[in-house]
Amino acid sequence: QSALTQPPSASGSPGQSVTISCTGTSSDVGGYAYVSWYQQHPGKAPKLMIYEVSKRPSGVPDRFSGSKSGNTASLTVSGLQGEDEADYYCASYAGIKYFYVFGTGTKVTVL
Amino acid sequence: QAQLVESGGGVVQPGSSLRLSCAASGFTFSAYGIYWVRQAPGKGLEWVTAISYDARNEYYADSVKGRFTISRDNFKNTVYLQMNSLRPEDTAVYFCAKPPDSSSLRSGMDVWGQGTTVTVSS
Repeated sequence: QSALTQPPSASGSPGQSVTISCTGTSSDVGGYAYVSWYQQHPGKAPKLMIYEVSKRPSGVPDRFSGSKSGNTASLTVSGLQGEDEADYYCASYAGIKYFYVFGTGTKVTVL
Repeated sequence: QAQLVESGGGVVQPGSSLRLSCAASGFTFSAYGIYWVRQAPGKGLEWVTAISYDARNEYYADSVKGRFTISRDNFKNTVYLQMNSLRPEDTAVYFCAKPPDSSSLRSGMDVWGQGTTVTVSS
């Protein structure tokens, strides 16, 4: 099972929006409504930002939103803030055979 | 609140074995599946294995199948990862995590431990 494909980097100025894509196949992203997104700061554990494509856990700002179209999921961060600078990973359930797969990761820089 | 604490990491030689533990508190452990995820130095996240709430179902990444075994003790609120035939490419920080929903291991991981480091080197 190959990792989901994400752009290596993305950037935006404070207050702007940035959208990160996550491309898989019909066997993972496209086949299930179980895409999740994680934020990871250096040396820290990942933090869940979005699950089941577009649900936000309690405490996650509504500046973070998720969506999916076909085999590609997206995370949008609106109103960028300095603390949003981090690595972001998508992940998807991939069925009984492969079960779970992460994306390659995207480094978001706030200019 | 829900908390997971990993332990058991260390430096071992190739071919060796190691057992990691993930101790849970602050939630009904016996109702939740648990994942292990690892991150090699400077690399991305890799899902390793998962176990259902009742231990009836185990899932493994191809990279560890046949070498790693996940298990749990619902009386001790602990999940274990037995790692055998370790390889240099198994060097990573190992995290355990729980899903947000007790009924599914598909939804993602909302609580993570701080991680424990495994180094496989001669």
